[in-house]
Amino acid sequence: DIQLTQSPSFLSASVGDRVTITCRASQGVSNFLAWYQQKPRKAPKLLIYAASTLQSGVPSRFSGSGSGTEFTLTISSLQPEDFASYYCQQLNSYPLTFGGGTTVEIK
Amino acid sequence: QVQLVQSGAEVRKPGSSVKVSCKASGGTFSSYAINWVRQAPGQGLEWMGGIIPIFGTANYAQKFQDKVTITADESTSTVYVEVSSLKSDDTAVYYCARALRSGYRSSFTPFHFWGQGTLVTVSS
Repeated sequence: DIQLTQSPSFLSASVGDRVTITCRASQGVSNFLAWYQQKPRKAPKLLIYAASTLQSGVPSRFSGSGSGTEFTLTISSLQPEDFASYYCQQLNSYPLTFGGGTTVEIK
Repeated sequence: QVQLVQSGAEVRKPGSSVKVSCKASGGTFSSYAINWVRQAPGQGLEWMGGIIPIFGTANYAQKFQDKVTITADESTSTVYVEVSSLKSDDTAVYYCARALRSGYRSSFTPFHFWGQGTLVTVSS
């Protein structure tokens, strides 16, 4: 199975901060990587797929990059509604796996 | 607009089974993969398996191979997950999620539309 390791698992930031979350895969997944945002007691929401393609309707302050085994999700200027948990997911091979998650909290 | 509506919360005793439904509306049903993801309290997301209704064969994570059965009913646009031999650590919110793209590679496309989640509580 492909393991995805996210870092950090928790971060505290202020509105307006630039935030970067890393996702490392235990083996190469090409660009078959997606990012999701989840708010408490809500279903996850697709933000980015194919490593860097912004899903329709997602604000442009979100961006993704990477290929192979290392990927990043960047929020260029954190907004109040961005405080949530973020998960990466690989879609290269079965079983589809998620990273352990990163919780972004208000400093 | 595509909507996935799941069945309501369930409480079960250890050793029993539970079947959760996910009814799709809007858009095409049969050619998009529907996946099941669970989330234990305070924990992350865990993919259990998925199915493309038109092909009928489900794929499962190894961990769930002998525990979970995913089926689809094209006549009602509904996908089901049945979890057997329930234990307390099966207590979780179970989500269904539809893939972004259709076709034979649908299973390897991101999860675009999600159900509202179904809480399954296993307690004696």
